[in-house]
Amino acid sequence: NAGVMQNPRHLVRRRGQEARLRCSPMKGHSHVYWYRQLPEEGLKFMVYLQKENIIDESGMPKERFSAEFPKEGPSILRIQQVVRGDSAAYFCASSPTLAGGTYNEQFFGPGTRLTVL
Amino acid sequence: AQSVAQPEDQVNVAEGNPLTVKCTYSVSGNPYLFWYVQYPNRGLQFLLKYITGDNLVKGSYGFEAEFNKSQTSFHLKKPSALVSDSALYFCAVRRNSGNTPLVFGKGTRLSVIA
Repeated sequence: NAGVMQNPRHLVRRRGQEARLRCSPMKGHSHVYWYRQLPEEGLKFMVYLQKENIIDESGMPKERFSAEFPKEGPSILRIQQVVRGDSAAYFCASSPTLAGGTYNEQFFGPGTRLTVL
Repeated sequence: AQSVAQPEDQVNVAEGNPLTVKCTYSVSGNPYLFWYVQYPNRGLQFLLKYITGDNLVKGSYGFEAEFNKSQTSFHLKKPSALVSDSALYFCAVRRNSGNTPLVFGKGTRLSVIA
């Protein structure tokens, strides 16, 4: 069972361009989370999605950022009109839906490192 | 709202000595507590978790952590440190069961010196 996959691993954009980050959860996982890690800081929650639904986007900036997790294909984190402050590592995690739903561990991908010039 | 504090940015320990990485938390209700490790330019790897039961939790690579409810702490420990343990360690909490997001501490950089 392959782990959580993210691509690209490294992404360089100029100010004003768009960044699209992809996350393929582990097989059988229907819950996806996006976190952002700024240099020398911990991970900050951005958004939590299930298939075709955004469950919690309380950590997402109100403008320029959007996320989706379509019925088919990977989850996408999209950043429009990037600025230098968007430079960070973006991590995706996935978890399964277990019977009873008592606890679902999150498995992390290797991250995408976005650099905005 | 839940929060996690890792009071030490950096911990240095000699190889073979015991190590402790500190973590305290704040959460309403029963906490679910986690430790993750991050190697340079890599994602997070799960080390161990506390959900319920015994306060001493054993995890991967010889690490363990002790849940202390009265002190709201969940310190990570290892009896004998290895140089290969050098990495960034994150403590995290979630407030209840299910699929709620994790709240992370800022991380503690562990350096094990040969």
